[in-house]
Amino acid sequence: QKEVEQDPGPLSVPEGAIVSLNCTYSNSAFQYFMWYRQYSRKGPELLMYTYSSGNKEDGRFTAQVDKSSKYISLFIRDSQPSDSATYLCAMTGGYQKVTFGTGTKLQVIP
Amino acid sequence: DTGVSQNPRHKITKRGQNVTFRCDPISEHNRLYWYRQTLGQGPEFLTYFQNEAQLEKSRLLSDRFSAERPKGSFSTLEIQRTEQGDSAMYLCASGGPSNTGELFFGEGSRLTVL
Repeated sequence: QKEVEQDPGPLSVPEGAIVSLNCTYSNSAFQYFMWYRQYSRKGPELLMYTYSSGNKEDGRFTAQVDKSSKYISLFIRDSQPSDSATYLCAMTGGYQKVTFGTGTKLQVIP
Repeated sequence: DTGVSQNPRHKITKRGQNVTFRCDPISEHNRLYWYRQTLGQGPEFLTYFQNEAQLEKSRLLSDRFSAERPKGSFSTLEIQRTEQGDSAMYLCASGGPSNTGELFFGEGSRLTVL
């Protein structure tokens, strides 16, 4: 079993839709949770980071962490065609390797 | 540009040859990571440096792979006796002094083994 599980998609939504992306994990030591966005043939770029359980909002993006369920989510409101990319969840216990999910490929259709 | 720089961006080699990739991290960052990514997969951890010390290395990494960061600045990843299964994107990332896992990635070095 992988430490981090993520549905690879692809996920196709119409422009303006609310997108929900999710990951589950098994390692209780994870304390820091990140979402990265990766465009084709580019390196991942950090979108959001959250410490422990709770919510964090940044513009159209909201990250949620539920440590009791070992479940994290990223919500994208008013999705745009420019949001089309692969979204990677990532997590770490701190001062350790960062473990990534497989990524969910998102396509926002105009 | 003060981001993470990787060279070469693309390397084509024949099976059995050795290849070396270089990564120049963001100058003030003391953490440096190497990942490997294949199509449709997330980045797979290879190794991690804090300054010049190699603190962690994936158990999945064969002895053909070696990484160095001699002066705590740039890093090299060498693959000896390449195999077709080594074909992948090799990503380097750097991180600052915080332990939060926030990483800044380079554009990657794509390896094709014929």
